[in-house]
Amino acid sequence: EAGVVQSPRYKIIEKKQPVAFWCNPISGHNTLYWYLQNLGQGPELLIRYENEEAVDDSQLPKDRFSAERLKGVDSTLKIQPAELGDSAVYLCASSSGQGASGNTIYFGEGSWLTVV
Amino acid sequence: QQPVQSPQAVILREGEDAVINCSSSKALYSVHWYRQKHGEAPVFLMILLKGGEQKGHEKISASFNEKKQQSSLYLTASQLSYSGTYFCGTEVGFQKLVFGTGTRLLVSP
Repeated sequence: EAGVVQSPRYKIIEKKQPVAFWCNPISGHNTLYWYLQNLGQGPELLIRYENEEAVDDSQLPKDRFSAERLKGVDSTLKIQPAELGDSAVYLCASSSGQGASGNTIYFGEGSWLTVV
Repeated sequence: QQPVQSPQAVILREGEDAVINCSSSKALYSVHWYRQKHGEAPVFLMILLKGGEQKGHEKISASFNEKKQQSSLYLTASQLSYSGTYFCGTEVGFQKLVFGTGTRLLVSP
């Protein structure tokens, strides 16, 4: 069974430029998460989807970040415009069932963003 | 709200034991443990649900004390492959998982 697939793996952009990350969750997983991970820190939730619905986006900086999961499968996370402080790893994860209680969350390898 | 892990870092010789603690100020529904190697995805180890259960996975086990809002991960007879950063994820509200500060573990030959 394929795991969570993310692309691109690495991205270097200049500040003020836009960037987008794509995620394909494990087949059949209706819950999808985007996490931000800074160097040496634990993952921090940006947004959680149940199928197409964003059920928790309280930590998403909505002035520059946006996300979508139009058909309840793949998802895209966009940053526009990027700032130097956005340099981090963006992790996508998925789980079956609703939410995290008792359900394993599987992570992708992440998209490493460097803003220069 | 972020759970605190201790110690922050530990160095072991192969075959030695270690304990990693995770403490939350919030009531917990469950605790999830992950290991992450540099440049790789966090890998799931185990989930502990409310009820104070203890789980084991080969030589890695964990306990969950919901009254104290704490969990501990036990690494027995450590192997080189155990090196990495360990994170606990605490479910502080239904469907809301918050990850801890991380514990770096290095196992040397």
